[in-house]
Amino acid sequence: DAGITQSPRHKVTETGTPVTLRCHQTENHRYMYWYRQDPGHGLRLIHYSYGVKDTDKGEVSDGYSVSRSKTEDFLLTLESATSSQTSVYFCAISAGPGTGGKDAFGYTFGSGTRLTVV
Amino acid sequence: SQQGEEDPQALSIQEGENATMNCSYKTSINNLQWYRQNSGRGLVHLILIRSNEREKHSGRLRVTLDTSKKSSSLLITASRAADTASYFCATDLEGAQKLVFGQGTRLTINP
Repeated sequence: DAGITQSPRHKVTETGTPVTLRCHQTENHRYMYWYRQDPGHGLRLIHYSYGVKDTDKGEVSDGYSVSRSKTEDFLLTLESATSSQTSVYFCAISAGPGTGGKDAFGYTFGSGTRLTVV
Repeated sequence: SQQGEEDPQALSIQEGENATMNCSYKTSINNLQWYRQNSGRGLVHLILIRSNEREKHSGRLRVTLDTSKKSSSLLITASRAADTASYFCATDLEGAQKLVFGQGTRLTINP
């Protein structure tokens, strides 16, 4: 999608190795998110960021860490990859959350990274 | 458990018919959003309805929101083969800074 790119698009890695996925945006949006998508679970939030160096955990954060040193980049690291982390990972960006129903914005999603841990 | 639950999980209709998908949620929201995902692609934002709105239109899409029942519906009129995709509702919870997605409805339009 325009304004947001994920890399790599596909990756196969071995159990126990660290893996870093990158999300890059050119929209200067404050909010960035990492989701994983698995059959039967829909999209689940891993971590998100509400500014440079400001991050918080989502519902499935165990085994993952993130960093945001610049507005445009949000990195997701699997510290020691496991087979349960085989998934499709999506990054999303937003100008801001809803506040009392005002100024709400939709998310723009990247094309995803298909990660296989063998 | 998921905040948003879509119903049905799968829907198959003939081209030209209308498709209706429903979403229920559990807690107070700022807004509710609908997204489409084509196979192998990322999600695309379709429409956002705020908590103080009851109905919204965008082209062939019509979304309703009933906050008393904590439910929303997405209607696609005059469906086309290109509408074949998965559709997700997502809730923007009060006090949160993140969307919570349901598991989606897989829509198939048969020619």
